[in-house]
Amino acid sequence: QVQLQESGPGLVKPSETLFLMCTVSGGSISTHYWSWIRQPPGKGLEWIGYIYYSGNTNYNPSLKSRVTISVDTSKNQFSLRLSSVTVADTAVYYCARGAVRSNPLDYWGQGTLVTVSS
Amino acid sequence: QSVLTQPPSVSGAPGQRVTISCTGSSSNIGANYDVHWYQQLPGTAPKLLIYGNNNRPSGVPDRFSGSRSDTSASLAITGLQAEDEADYYCQSYDSSLKGVFGTGTKVTVL
Repeated sequence: QVQLQESGPGLVKPSETLFLMCTVSGGSISTHYWSWIRQPPGKGLEWIGYIYYSGNTNYNPSLKSRVTISVDTSKNQFSLRLSSVTVADTAVYYCARGAVRSNPLDYWGQGTLVTVSS
Repeated sequence: QSVLTQPPSVSGAPGQRVTISCTGSSSNIGANYDVHWYQQLPGTAPKLLIYGNNNRPSGVPDRFSGSRSDTSASLAITGLQAEDEADYYCQSYDSSLKGVFGTGTKVTVL
């Protein structure tokens, strides 16, 4: 059974960079697409971007200038960097297996709340 | 902003059938991109419910079914149960916006 676990700071200051890691267990990261999705408190889901194990990426155009998703196949991990954060970036961040086209998001992490506040 | 519009809420009595619509456009659902559906129980991560418009992952009851036509898609729940009370999201691909989720629908079991 594939499992995903997000990790990283729960509090980030405005204008700083948010960094989260997703650790994949129960399967190899080298066979699928991997995504980040976020959900502001009380609101809907927003796709952030995805990465293929080869390193190819695709990002939400509204976040593209601030987002970097990377993969480390040796550690079975992938990561999210979101720069110049504001309070609007406060959300629960989920990592998931899959992309957003023909590959559905079939396994999800439990999510981690990141609050942007000074 | 979301380009996939869902009703904010639907409700039904136990045993009834409810449907959730997901209305898109010619740049997403109408462009023949697959529609997937997710169920989010309170305080938990979303769970894949329907993939590729009308396919159920292993373990999902056959009470859940999906369909797609033109620029919209629908999720139907037959024999509504108390455990189905959750938020439901459609998801597809948009030629400009890339990955898009629906606005979400809260299902209430009366």
